[in-house]
Amino acid sequence: GAVVSQHPSRVICKSGTSVKIECRSLDFQATTMFWYRQFPKQSLMLMATSNEGSKATYEQGVEKDKFLINHASLTLSTLTVTSAHPEDSSFYICSARGGPGNTEAFFGQGTRLTVV
Amino acid sequence: SQQGEEDPQALSIQEGENATMNCSYKTSINNLQWYRQNSGRGLVHLILIRSNEREKHSGRLRVTLDTSKKSSSLLITASRAADTASYFCQIREGSNYKLTFGKGTLLTVNP
Repeated sequence: GAVVSQHPSRVICKSGTSVKIECRSLDFQATTMFWYRQFPKQSLMLMATSNEGSKATYEQGVEKDKFLINHASLTLSTLTVTSAHPEDSSFYICSARGGPGNTEAFFGQGTRLTVV
Repeated sequence: SQQGEEDPQALSIQEGENATMNCSYKTSINNLQWYRQNSGRGLVHLILIRSNEREKHSGRLRVTLDTSKKSSSLLITASRAADTASYFCQIREGSNYKLTFGKGTLLTVNP
């Protein structure tokens, strides 16, 4: 299957700082990327959907100014958690899908963010 | 809002037994997918079933879909300890590309 690389896998940052998470599709062009958040022992909550070259569509309750998503190329999307707080500590996972006829999305390995 | 609802939330069985997990949803779907997730790791795609399909097989996995009941089941036959993981269903709603996950079933296979 296609490979999606997510980096970093773990990050610890101080409150008030910003953290950028990268999601790359390594062997296909990802027209759509999804960002999810997962709390311990819970399901994945869709945060936003981004299409290459356009603004991301955020789910209800997700602050777009806090979670900045950029999908500037067909192989890279970034999620920046701005002014991070301890409650932002979570597991963030991206997935990427290529083209309208391609229904399968491939997932990155996730990023464990800890804000101290 | 999350639409997929898996049950049971947790399932513990012995190696060699079969494990059945169910997923229910509320709206019309284009397709439904099952994923597994090992603790603290990313997701692995298991199988996709389209709305016009009723059953699919992949190795020891069997997925059924009943659109009239808005439910799907994942059967793992002859389970192994390595099958221990969380299993999630994901639905693609209607004609858009919105993908939402269920709450998941934590499967523990005891050796």
